[in-house]
Amino acid sequence: DAKTTQPNSMESNEEEPVHLPCNHSTISGTDYIHWYRQLPSQGPEYVIHGLTSNVNNRMASLAIAEDRKSSTLILHRATLRDAAVYYCILRDGPGSYIPTFGRGTSLIVHP
Amino acid sequence: KAGVTQTPRYLIKTRGQQVTLSCSPISGHRSVSWYQQTPGQGLQFLFEYFSETQRNKGNFPGRFSGRQFSNSRSEMNVSTLELGDSALYLCASSETSGRADEQYFGPGTRLTVT
Repeated sequence: DAKTTQPNSMESNEEEPVHLPCNHSTISGTDYIHWYRQLPSQGPEYVIHGLTSNVNNRMASLAIAEDRKSSTLILHRATLRDAAVYYCILRDGPGSYIPTFGRGTSLIVHP
Repeated sequence: KAGVTQTPRYLIKTRGQQVTLSCSPISGHRSVSWYQQTPGQGLQFLFEYFSETQRNKGNFPGRFSGRQFSNSRSEMNVSTLELGDSALYLCASSETSGRADEQYFGPGTRLTVT
């Protein structure tokens, strides 16, 4: 199964944009890129997903490189409530899907 | 809609015992996945069930098993508990088992093995 690589931690100031990178150089043509985040003492929460085109929703934007070997989760204005561990995972179809969450990126937001 | 619920929320068991954890998915969701989260190994996939059939399985010993009922509720069982099984067990549901499906996680069951 394709793996993802993320920085262990990143820091940001409140109300500033945050760009969280993810490398997935062995991505297959059918893998979707999903992002989840986990706040302290909670289960992971879905953030966004995409296949090839950039995606936007109320929580974030997802920028996918043209060769799909990397992606970036963009939080347009970080808040203290965005402090969490962010996971980038690849999702293939049933029967071959072993999601690998890895360690994720711990985002620290400074007031 | 109600979210994913897991019972019990906390559990303390003794080494060698067995344990059954329960997960009720969001209404209408037919896929349930289970994960184990520990500080050392992070979030690891156990298995996924869809329409009562196991679709995928992670790299865990046979002591870890699961099942899904016709109402999509799922249970996982761990037999012959070991100290290393102490972890947060998370359940996630999605509408189908597709690659574009969003997964919704429950709050988890914190299992402590002594």
